[in-house]
Amino acid sequence: QKEVEQDPGPLSVPEGAIVSLNCTYSNSAFQYFMWYRQYSRKGPELLMYTYSSGNKEDGRFTAQVDKSSKYISLFIRDSQPSDSATYLCATTGAGSYQLTFGKGTKLSVIP
Amino acid sequence: DTGVSQNPRHKITKRGQNVTFRCDPISEHNRLYWYRQTLGQGPEFLTYFQNEAQLEKSRLLSDRFSAERPKGSFSTLEIQRTEQGDSAMYLCASSYDRDRVPEAFFGQGTRLTVV
Repeated sequence: QKEVEQDPGPLSVPEGAIVSLNCTYSNSAFQYFMWYRQYSRKGPELLMYTYSSGNKEDGRFTAQVDKSSKYISLFIRDSQPSDSATYLCATTGAGSYQLTFGKGTKLSVIP
Repeated sequence: DTGVSQNPRHKITKRGQNVTFRCDPISEHNRLYWYRQTLGQGPEFLTYFQNEAQLEKSRLLSDRFSAERPKGSFSTLEIQRTEQGDSAMYLCASSYDRDRVPEAFFGQGTRLTVV
């Protein structure tokens, strides 16, 4: 079992929809949870991170972590065609700088 | 300087040749990381530096791979005797050790094709 599991999709939604992206992880030592956006043939771009459990909101993006179920979510409200990209979850433990990534979910937002 | 810079962006090499990639991190960042990403997969950790010291290496980093960060500024990743399985995107990232948050910012990557 991989340490971070993420459904690769692809996921296709109409413009304006609410998008839910999810990951599960197996290592209970993980404390930091990141979401990266990666456009085709580009490097990953950090969207946001959370520490331990809870929610964090940044504009149209909300990240949620439920450590009891080892479940990570990213919600995108009012999705736009420019949100079309691959979304990668990543995590690491306290005091560690080695990120463990999921495979990424490819999202297409259709105008 | 607005981000992590990687050169070259693309490299095509013949099997058995040596290649070297360069990464220039964000100027005030003291930590620098190398990752490898293959098609349809997330990035996989290779190694990281705090200033000039190489503190962690993945088992993915075989003897043919070597990374350096002289003077704690730019870094190079060399692959000797390249194999077709080395074809991938090599990503560099950097972070600043603020509150011990691993907030890593990635460059655009170097895409290596071994033919």
